[in-house]
Amino acid sequence: AQKITQTQPGMFVQEKEAVTLDCTYDTSDQSYGLFWYKQPSSGEMIFLIYQGSYDEQNATEGRYSLNFQKARKSANLVISASQLGDSAMYFCAMRDGVSYNQGGKLIFGQGTELSVKP
Amino acid sequence: DVKVTQSSRYLVKRTGEKVFLECVQDMDHENMFWYRQDPGLGLRLIYFSYDVKMKEKGDIPEGYSVSREKKERFSLILESASTNQTSMYLCASSRGYRGGYNEQFFGPGTRLTVL
Repeated sequence: AQKITQTQPGMFVQEKEAVTLDCTYDTSDQSYGLFWYKQPSSGEMIFLIYQGSYDEQNATEGRYSLNFQKARKSANLVISASQLGDSAMYFCAMRDGVSYNQGGKLIFGQGTELSVKP
Repeated sequence: DVKVTQSSRYLVKRTGEKVFLECVQDMDHENMFWYRQDPGLGLRLIYFSYDVKMKEKGDIPEGYSVSREKKERFSLILESASTNQTSMYLCASSRGYRGGYNEQFFGPGTRLTVL
């Protein structure tokens, strides 16, 4: 069954330090994609980074990188040099073959609330 | 700049009222989605549409209906609002291709309270 699990409801990190947000997924498909979104208190979901299941290299976008471990079915988000503006809810999401039949919907995890301390 | 807009940021309604949530996108996207967001549950798909006048049920369609009369507009309707429909509602859109790296763009959300 399709499932995304984020086991950290809340996390704290000191400004300028790196932080890892955990995400594990479950799918029986070989072809799938993994996304991370950021949701500030304003409510809008902001796309951060994408990793395809066949991508050999870990995805990177600026201060964001995705630690993709296919055998372990994990897709952790690493934020380097945390900033106060990084304080937000972070969601891991997946699209797979079942999603394809539902308009390409995304399956979301429960979210992790990150707080960056000055 | 690409944009998805939702008609209201905050809405308060009474039990039994008919509620309309409107969503408009300016990216000429084929796919549009309505999600519901609840604490500890993440986002769950209510309905989606892949073309004008086409609609498909998502994972939690009960108590909701949708309308897509124009490509840019996707409406979520609560025929008779109930307190368990108090939630954050997020609209999203994406290009027609359903797989791979096809980012969904989200609106700012509507926080609905049903009293």
